[in-house]
Amino acid sequence: EDQVTQSPEALRLQEGESSSLNCSYTVSGLRGLFWYRQDPGKGPEFLFTLYSAGEEKEKERLKATLTKKESFLHITAPKPEDSATYLCAVQADTGNQFYFGTGTSLTVIP
Amino acid sequence: DSGVTQTPKHLITATGQRVTLRCSPRSGDLSVYWYQQSLDQGLQFLIHYYNGEERAKGNILERFSAQQFPDLHSELNLSSLELGDSALYFCASRTSNSPLHFGNGTRLTVT
Repeated sequence: EDQVTQSPEALRLQEGESSSLNCSYTVSGLRGLFWYRQDPGKGPEFLFTLYSAGEEKEKERLKATLTKKESFLHITAPKPEDSATYLCAVQADTGNQFYFGTGTSLTVIP
Repeated sequence: DSGVTQTPKHLITATGQRVTLRCSPRSGDLSVYWYQQSLDQGLQFLIHYYNGEERAKGNILERFSAQQFPDLHSELNLSSLELGDSALYFCASRTSNSPLHFGNGTRLTVT
């Protein structure tokens, strides 16, 4: 069964304190892995797509990496405005369905 | 702005009632997905439509139904509402080989 597990569930960082979020997945064949940011009461906002092991994508203070079993979202020198829930999703190559993890709630303290 | 529009933003109704949630996808997107998000759960996939045809069903209750119209907008119908149906309902759209793009959801409160 296709599954996505994110850890930790919640993370509190001081401003400037770098860290990483983890997304472990089990899927028969990976078509794509996606990272989203979700602010309270809003819809998930697309950040990155990763397709194959070894691939990396960067955007401002965020960098996403992918291995055959997991993905990391590295946050470098975070700011309070980076506080949000970060969601990971995978799409299997057997169809058009997307399986979401339950997210990591990130709080960056000034 | 993702380009996906959902209405209404908020809906408050009583148990046993029926409501309709509406979604306008991004221009050119043929696929529409519906998700439910409750406080203690992640995004739960409900149903997927492509160009007017149902493509896949997730954990959608029999009391819920959806359709996609020729102009590609979609509606999610929820009937015989229960307290446990209170949640955020999201619509997302995509083209082939693209990620999902989400609207800002409809917050449903059943009292």
